[in-house]
Amino acid sequence: NSKVIQTPRYLVKGQGQKAKMRCIPEKGHPVVFWYQQNKNNEFKFLINFQNQEVLQQIDMTEKRFSAECPSNSPCSLEIQSSEAGDSALYLCASSHRDSQNTLYFGAGTRLSVL
Amino acid sequence: GDSVTQTEGLVTLTKGLPVMLNCTYQTTYSPFLFWYVQHLNEAPKLLLKSSTDNKRTEHQGFYATLHKSSSSFHLQKSSVQLSDSALYFCALSEGSNYNVLYFGSGTKLTVEP
Repeated sequence: NSKVIQTPRYLVKGQGQKAKMRCIPEKGHPVVFWYQQNKNNEFKFLINFQNQEVLQQIDMTEKRFSAECPSNSPCSLEIQSSEAGDSALYLCASSHRDSQNTLYFGAGTRLSVL
Repeated sequence: GDSVTQTEGLVTLTKGLPVMLNCTYQTTYSPFLFWYVQHLNEAPKLLLKSSTDNKRTEHQGFYATLHKSSSSFHLQKSSVQLSDSALYFCALSEGSNYNVLYFGSGTKLTVEP
């Protein structure tokens, strides 16, 4: 079973509503990644953090998404104003400093925007 | 830019037969290649990884060899089982640091009795 914990597993929102999902990375993993997996199973990288600092993010994330990884709290990804096209599986992954490019994924939050 | 190509979207096989799932990549950096498996409603899990040219890597009966000359990292298994039915993703990292992984479009493997 995955040691990356994502909540909730399912999230249903109306268009324009905020959608917030959380992730607890594996213990000792300093870097957290967020990916979006669409209905065609394609992965899109959104943002990653090292400790509380953003390492990389895409344009879409800058405009409508906000994310944070506060110390001693779960990481979160929030869509400010949900759109139908945001319906997807949002996957959180973490990686360890000894194997930095190896990602360990959670089971995801499946967002449906009605 | 970096990219990964998986040519088979769907593969259906009978239990006990061999399988090869294709993966080719494009990068100007030193490549690190990965295979992830995602069973229905589960987290993607690391299956294999490699950055060493021409060295076979194996795990749970699956194996792959990174061939930099052909930019390939095909996944193989000699005898598939029903439990191997899942989505398989090839992924590329352009370095050993906390780099973004670029994923292929995935191959859905269905194993029939």
